[in-house]
Amino acid sequence: DTGVSQDPRHKITKRGQNVTFRCDPISEHNRLYWYRQTLGQGPEFLTYFQNEAQLEKSRLLSDRFSAERPKGSFSTLEIQRTEQGDSAMYLCASSAEGIRNQPQHFGDGTRLSIL
Amino acid sequence: AQTVTQSQPEMSVQEAETVTLSCTYDTSESDYYLFWYKQPPSRQMILVIRQEAYKQQNATENRFSVNFQKAAKSFSLKISDSQLGDAAMYFCAYRGRRYSGGGADGLTFGKGTHLIIQP
Repeated sequence: DTGVSQDPRHKITKRGQNVTFRCDPISEHNRLYWYRQTLGQGPEFLTYFQNEAQLEKSRLLSDRFSAERPKGSFSTLEIQRTEQGDSAMYLCASSAEGIRNQPQHFGDGTRLSIL
Repeated sequence: AQTVTQSQPEMSVQEAETVTLSCTYDTSESDYYLFWYKQPPSRQMILVIRQEAYKQQNATENRFSVNFQKAAKSFSLKISDSQLGDAAMYFCAYRGRRYSGGGADGLTFGKGTHLIIQP
């Protein structure tokens, strides 16, 4: 169990640019979640996959955001035409299917800074 | 929609003492799960303890225990014999039933409580 891995750890980009983050979940976990955490706040749910199917998206996930999990393993989160308000920590978590109280295991996050 | 409220932005406790972090939540569901997560500075979120709403017995994990009051929708975390390594942000989180129509399958977090341990 190597844990949830996120890449990159930090991303600095200019406003208007596109960025893509990657998340590798724990290998036996088929559920994968994306959250956004701004300074001084708790994480906010963005979207969730079970295997390759994206089952839920929150209202926070504007049309500039897109997430994929093509083979049911790693996932990518892309933000197009970045804005200042996109600056945040983007957290990925994974969990096992089945019993609903299975905890979500979090990665270290990708910190996005928009210049 | 569910909401989670942590009314203490910051708490301070002397090493070896006991501290209680409060959490309240609002939901119309009867079946749900509650969690406390710990987030040390610049480090990943770690699960501390979890509670199923249908269980009346309060969960305990070593020095960590909860006081779950379902009717009051309260879920406080007690840390006994506080240690320097307990210093972190603590987040209370809620997760409802999958197809209850109550919202996303993801966790709903509070704003967190910053716990300071005084040596």
